Amino acid sequence: GAVVSQHPSWVICKSGTSVKIECRSLDFQATTMFWYRQFPKQSLMLMATSNEGSKATYEQGVEKDKFLINHASLTLSTLTVTSAHPEDSSFYICSARASSGYNEQFFGPGTRLTVL
Amino acid sequence: DQQVKQNSPSLSVQEGRISILNCDYTNSMFDYFLWYKKYPAEGPTFLISISSIKDKNEDGRFTVFLNKSAKHLSLHIVPSQPGDSAVYFCAASAGFPGGYNKLIFGAGTRLAVHP
Repeated sequence: GAVVSQHPSWVICKSGTSVKIECRSLDFQATTMFWYRQFPKQSLMLMATSNEGSKATYEQGVEKDKFLINHASLTLSTLTVTSAHPEDSSFYICSARASSGYNEQFFGPGTRLTVL
Repeated sequence: DQQVKQNSPSLSVQEGRISILNCDYTNSMFDYFLWYKKYPAEGPTFLISISSIKDKNEDGRFTVFLNKSAKHLSLHIVPSQPGDSAVYFCAASAGFPGGYNKLIFGAGTRLAVHP
């Protein structure tokens, strides 16, 4: 149980285009989903927290108009990187926390974004 | 400001021996700590956790020790196996259980277990 999927697993796009990444909890309902990004050899940095049916809460320094988050259902959250630039190239990971339970978050496999 | 620090970027251990991964934190509000294991190009997987009311939690070959006064925790793996080779992240949060919580991650320690 507690499986989280991400799609796509990798994407290459041209600078200026937008990319949408999906995060799904496959076998549980996730009230809260988190989006992280990880640069090489660095820690996972929380970008935003999304709660189903409400606006996402962004961490300091993360542009909400650039990284659009939609948590439309208890099993799906999407992250759209708008007008992507090469500096947005990174490994994006989502996690989901079940509607009940403690602090445990279940992570997706990540999406490698490369912006040319 | 790094609130969770893993000062050793890498660790090499012989198979069968003990692996000790260390983690320090600065925020005294943290009261729940987790260890995650991550393989390349995959998301982290939960390994073991400990709350601040305990100083030790054991699960099979994995034991986490918490020293609140020193704001230090460690993960012990014994005996170490080649399949344990991965990056290990320490994470902490404030607010347990069930409340809003944000996980703050350390930078990770790459463990290599060699035969």
